[in-house]
Amino acid sequence: AQSVTQLDSQVPVFEEAPVELRCNYSSSVSVYLFWYVQYPNQGLQLLLKYLSGSTLVESINGFEAEFNKSQTSFHLRKPSVHISDTAEYFCAVTMMVGNQFYFGTGTSLTVIP
Amino acid sequence: EAGVAQSPRYKIIEKRQSVAFWCNPISGHATLYWYQQILGQGPKLLIQFQNNGVVDDSQLPKDRFSAERLKGVDSTLKIQPAKLEDSAVYLCASSPVRYTNTEAFFGQGTRLTVV
Repeated sequence: AQSVTQLDSQVPVFEEAPVELRCNYSSSVSVYLFWYVQYPNQGLQLLLKYLSGSTLVESINGFEAEFNKSQTSFHLRKPSVHISDTAEYFCAVTMMVGNQFYFGTGTSLTVIP
Repeated sequence: EAGVAQSPRYKIIEKRQSVAFWCNPISGHATLYWYQQILGQGPKLLIQFQNNGVVDDSQLPKDRFSAERLKGVDSTLKIQPAKLEDSAVYLCASSPVRYTNTEAFFGQGTRLTVV
C-alpha cells in the first residue's frame, strides 16, 4: 500500500524568505506524485505534479518540486514566498494504473509580513 | 470548462439525523471520488466510482454511509444516522482518464457539522 508522510505540520516563514515543505512517500510500485494547495474554505487545487521525465517540476507561481527516487521524496520549494502563499499544502501519491490518491496530513504554511 | 460542483456548501445537523451531499463532476470525467477531510488531517478516500460502477469502497462505513452515481454522471453521498465524528469536509473530485489518474479535480467541498 502507498503512504505519504509530511513531517512538518506547520511552517511559519517571513515574506520573501525561501521555504521547503517536505514530503516522503512509501510505495512498492511506480507512482505519480502531486502537490495540492488548499486555501481557507476552498477545495484542493493542483499545484504541480510529477508523472515522468525531468525530476524537477515547476508551477506557474514559482513553486518547484524535485522527485528523488532513491530517497522516496518529493519536497516542495519556493525561493521567495509571498503573503498570498499562506495556505495548507498537501502531498499526494497515486499508482500509475487507475487508483485512488493517497494524501499526507498537510503542512500549514504561514507567511509572516 | 466548468469545475466540480458540490452542494450544499455547509450543513449543520443533529446526531442521528440523516444528510445527503450532491456532486456534479466535470463533464466527460469517468472517475469520481468522495473524500472525507477531518480537521487537521489529509483527505481520506471514502469511495471511488468508474462511470457508474464502484471501484473502491473499502473505507466507506457501510453501516451508515451510502453513495451512488446515477447514470455515471452526478453522485450523491448519504449519511444515516450521523455521528459526532462525521463532522468533516466532504470533498468530491473527478478525473478524466480511466486507467491512469494523472490528475484529480476537486470541488469546494461540503462542510458538515454534527452537533
